[in-house]
Amino acid sequence: EIVLTQSPGTLSLSPGERATLSCRASQSVTSSYLAWYQQKPGQAPRLLIFGASSRATGIPDRFSGSGSGTDFTLTISRLEPEDFAVYYCQQYGNSPKTFGQGTKVEIK
Amino acid sequence: EVQLVESGGGLVQPGRSLRLSCAASGFTFDDYAMYWVRQAPGKGLEWVSGISWNSGTIHYADSVKGRFTISRDSAKNSLYLQMNSLRAEDTALYYCAKTHDYGGTHAYFDYWGQGTLVTVSS
Repeated sequence: EIVLTQSPGTLSLSPGERATLSCRASQSVTSSYLAWYQQKPGQAPRLLIFGASSRATGIPDRFSGSGSGTDFTLTISRLEPEDFAVYYCQQYGNSPKTFGQGTKVEIK
Repeated sequence: EVQLVESGGGLVQPGRSLRLSCAASGFTFDDYAMYWVRQAPGKGLEWVSGISWNSGTIHYADSVKGRFTISRDSAKNSLYLQMNSLRAEDTALYYCAKTHDYGGTHAYFDYWGQGTLVTVSS
């Protein structure tokens, strides 16, 4: 099973700042089959990024994904008030599909 | 508009059973693999089970294998999860999730329902 480790656990930033979230896999993720999801309190997760770097439908271009192999990054170029949430990475190249433990982006 | 509406959750005693349902609309249900993903209170996400478009491929997490059964009904555009021998550690919000392809093996989750809460307690 591929273990995904997200860092940092919590990121305290102000609106307008840049957020950089890391997701590290215990072994190489097949074909960059890595997704990122956003979850706000009381809501279901929402798909942001798939294939490590492709934005899902309707996702603003301030969200970008990068990386390959074992190291992946989600970048939010300029934080908007609605971006403060928990972010999860997920690999879907190997069975079982696994999620990281999440990174909380909070208002500083 | 894709909609996934879960139902069937509730409070149940350890060892008992529960059946979750997910009603799908806004897309061609038969064309996509579907999954159940759960989230324990205050915790992260854990995939539970998945089923391909034609029910030919089914996956279970080790934590539920032998106790949970996933199924789908194309006539009703619905996904199900039969949960037997429930344990306290099964307490979670259970989400129904649509994948982006028919097989599900290498698929991410592009739409999620709002979840149904299962509480296992005496």
